[in-house]
Amino acid sequence: DVQLLESGGGLVQPGGSLRLSCAASGFTFSNYAMGWARQAPGKGLEWVSLITGSGRNTYYTNSVRGRFTISRDSSNLYLHMNSLRVEDTALYYCAKGESATYCSGEVWGQGALVTVSS
Amino acid sequence: DVVMTQSPLSLPVTLGQPASISCRSSQSLVYSDGNTFLSWFQERPGQSPRRLIYKVSNRDSGVPDRFSGSGSGADFTLTISRVEAEDVGVYYCMQGSHWPWTFGQGTKVEIQ
Repeated sequence: DVQLLESGGGLVQPGGSLRLSCAASGFTFSNYAMGWARQAPGKGLEWVSLITGSGRNTYYTNSVRGRFTISRDSSNLYLHMNSLRVEDTALYYCAKGESATYCSGEVWGQGALVTVSS
Repeated sequence: DVVMTQSPLSLPVTLGQPASISCRSSQSLVYSDGNTFLSWFQERPGQSPRRLIYKVSNRDSGVPDRFSGSGSGADFTLTISRVEAEDVGVYYCMQGSHWPWTFGQGTKVEIQ
């Protein structure tokens, strides 16, 4: 079974940094694009970033471009978040893609909560 | 960004009766390869999102056949043929044709 386990969430001050991790198992990780999506408290869903299976191509939504960096190694997905803002407060989900070059959220993890507050 | 508009936003349903949710996009979701990347997700209370339908009408593995998706271009529908108690939750449509992928506002399905 595909399993995605996020970690690294927590409370951080505005302007601070955090790194989220997603441990993947149950599939050949390098064969699939992966992504991060988020859900602010009481709000809807928003895609944040994608990365292809090779790691060569990355994509970001406008509000995080230049502040967040997505990366991956042999079995983990990461989201490095810098210059955090109050509006980045959300439950962050890791998601598995459908192919090496495409991810639209075939399977989702349980989420990691990031709270940005002074 | 492509704007996804769902209706209704709240849907009281009767057990055993059908239910439908509409989703419209601000531009066509037909991709250059001919595919239409429109998905439907279910978010049950306290759980992470689960994809039900991909590419308009394809059910994901393990999804009951009472769920079906239809539509084309910029106009799509999710139908539940006979609502069961476990279907309570929020349903989102999502377009994956134009980055950034975007979701509808969500439709809350509850038993009346």
